[in-house]
Amino acid sequence: ILNVEQSPQSLHVQEGDSTNFTCSFPSSNFYALHWYRWETAKSPEALFVMTLNGDEKKKGRISATLNTKEGYSYLYIKGSQPEDSATYLCASSNTGNQFYFGTGTSLTVIP
Amino acid sequence: SAVISQKPSRDICQRGTSLTIQCQVDSQVTMMFWYRQQPGQSLTLIATANQGSEATYESGFVIDKFPISRPNLTFSTLTVSNMSPEDSSIYLCSASASGANVLTFGAGSRLTVL
Repeated sequence: ILNVEQSPQSLHVQEGDSTNFTCSFPSSNFYALHWYRWETAKSPEALFVMTLNGDEKKKGRISATLNTKEGYSYLYIKGSQPEDSATYLCASSNTGNQFYFGTGTSLTVIP
Repeated sequence: SAVISQKPSRDICQRGTSLTIQCQVDSQVTMMFWYRQQPGQSLTLIATANQGSEATYESGFVIDKFPISRPNLTFSTLTVSNMSPEDSSIYLCSASASGANVLTFGAGSRLTVL
């Protein structure tokens, strides 16, 4: 069983601040790293899928990086807005299409 | 990507009763899964719902407690049987196309067992 760890568990930031979270995962049998945003009462929404060491992806104010050698990924949010408030889930998947999720980082952006 | 409808969105249940959660996908998908997230825990895979055959359960989950149906490529149900307060959780349906290493989720069913 893969152990995916996320930190911090929760985070409160002021509107306009930039922030980042960490996801660490075992490197063995790694295939892809996934980031999801999960708002209350909604479906978790896929943000990024990354497979290659050094991958960096960006969607608007949100970006993510991947280091497969050391087994971590960072998610960055630039200029946080209240609508960014959500739980951010990280998952590592293997070639057998098995997904292993972290416990998530709960972000609250204070207006 | 597929759109998944899940119901009920939430329910409050009495101890000892059973509840069935339905998951409808707007297109045919190869793989359907059921996850659970207990408070403070990570999303945990309960089972893979196999079309036309018995579901494949993960360690710690059994068919008697979580019977699953998948009559076709767009629909699945999960029943939580003989519920106890420890079953209070968010249950999520998800789907994946064959060969695609991407999961799409429903909005979840939040169960509270009294």
